[in-house]
Amino acid sequence: AQSVAQPEDQVNVAEGNPLTVKCTYSVSGNPYLFWYVQYPNRGLQFLLKYITGDNLVKGSYGFEAEFNKSQTSFHLKKPSALVSDSALYFCAVIPGGDDKIIFGKGTRLHILP
Amino acid sequence: DTAVSQTPKYLVTQMGNDKSIKCEQNLGHDTMYWYKQDSKKFLKIMFSYNNKELIINETVPNRFSPKSPDKAHLNLHINSLELGDSAVYFCASSTSTVTYEQYFGPGTRLTVT
Repeated sequence: AQSVAQPEDQVNVAEGNPLTVKCTYSVSGNPYLFWYVQYPNRGLQFLLKYITGDNLVKGSYGFEAEFNKSQTSFHLKKPSALVSDSALYFCAVIPGGDDKIIFGKGTRLHILP
Repeated sequence: DTAVSQTPKYLVTQMGNDKSIKCEQNLGHDTMYWYKQDSKKFLKIMFSYNNKELIINETVPNRFSPKSPDKAHLNLHINSLELGDSAVYFCASSTSTVTYEQYFGPGTRLTVT
């Protein structure tokens, strides 16, 4: 079965430190990969995507993610965390040749002041 | 200049009732979606319409019926509401069926008592 895994339910990071939110996937073909963020009581917002090309993609709010085909991962990163980055982050994948997006279960990012 | 809007934002109703949630997008997108986010924040696609045509219909009870009067609107009608229907429902839209980026509405919190 096609799946997306976010192995951490919660990630705690001190403000100013680098952060990583992990995502791995198991899908067929060459996938399209996405990160979305959900702030409390809000809809999801698009952060960044990988379709093709450079494995390192840059997105909104200083976030970036690296596509690693051999490890089937697409970890979200930011060099210096802000308290305002505290939110729920979803990794999402569209399997190759498909048009259905599959979301991970989400990782709650908590930035400590 | 809201991109994707949903009404109502909150909906509290009793078991057995029939209710509708409306969604409108002013982005000129061809494709619209309904997602259900459960109490554990797990996000799952329910339906997808492209130019008023149903293209994705996941395993959802027949009590749920989407209706798309035009490509800017995708309403969700739920018959005979059950306790398990309590969740946050998100509408989203994208430029095409190849869902590069989806734009989400603010969500409708449905509580069935």
